[in-house]
Amino acid sequence: QKEVEQNSGPLSVPEGAIASLNCTYSDRGSQSFFWYRQYSGKSPELIMSIYSNGDKEDGRFTAQLNKASQYVSLLIRDSQPSDSATYLCAVRIGGYQKVTFGTGTKLQVIP
Amino acid sequence: DGGITQSPKYLFRKEGQNVTLSCEQNLNHDAMYWYRQDPGQGLRLIYYSQIVNDFQKGDIAEGYSVSREKKESFPLTVTSAQKNPTAFYLCASSPPGQAQETQYFGPGTRLLVL
Repeated sequence: QKEVEQNSGPLSVPEGAIASLNCTYSDRGSQSFFWYRQYSGKSPELIMSIYSNGDKEDGRFTAQLNKASQYVSLLIRDSQPSDSATYLCAVRIGGYQKVTFGTGTKLQVIP
Repeated sequence: DGGITQSPKYLFRKEGQNVTLSCEQNLNHDAMYWYRQDPGQGLRLIYYSQIVNDFQKGDIAEGYSVSREKKESFPLTVTSAQKNPTAFYLCASSPPGQAQETQYFGPGTRLLVL
């Protein structure tokens, strides 16, 4: 079982819709969770970090964490074509410095 | 401007050759990281360094070497022992304290084998 799993996609949504990206992780000791956006050929950039159960909102982005079910999700409201990118989920296990990345979900927002 | 720079943007390696990828940051970050990204795969950790003159192997350190002589610099050498070096290499750094888990990435170096 992979430590961090994501559906590779592509996930296609129409412009203006809500995009829902999901990520599951295997280690119950995981404490910190991150979502990065990566445009083709570019480096990842941090969108959201979340550390406790529940929702965290930042503009059009909402991260949701459920430690009991071991999943973290990212919702993008009012999706725009500029949101088309690969979204990487990353998880840090408590007590360790390294962060483990998922393989990413490719999002396509159709105008 | 503060940030992380990587050079070169593209690098070509001949068989049996060692090459060095540069990573510099002026963010005063303590921790620095090197990742490798292959098509359709996530980022895999090669090496990381929490402090000057100290570094740790990541998940795929074989065939690579690093040094951390200065806080600002964390160069990665891809040795001839790395048989499949073609990939996108990303350097990252993170600030001290509670924010140290947040990693900021450089623009990357794409390594190709001739």
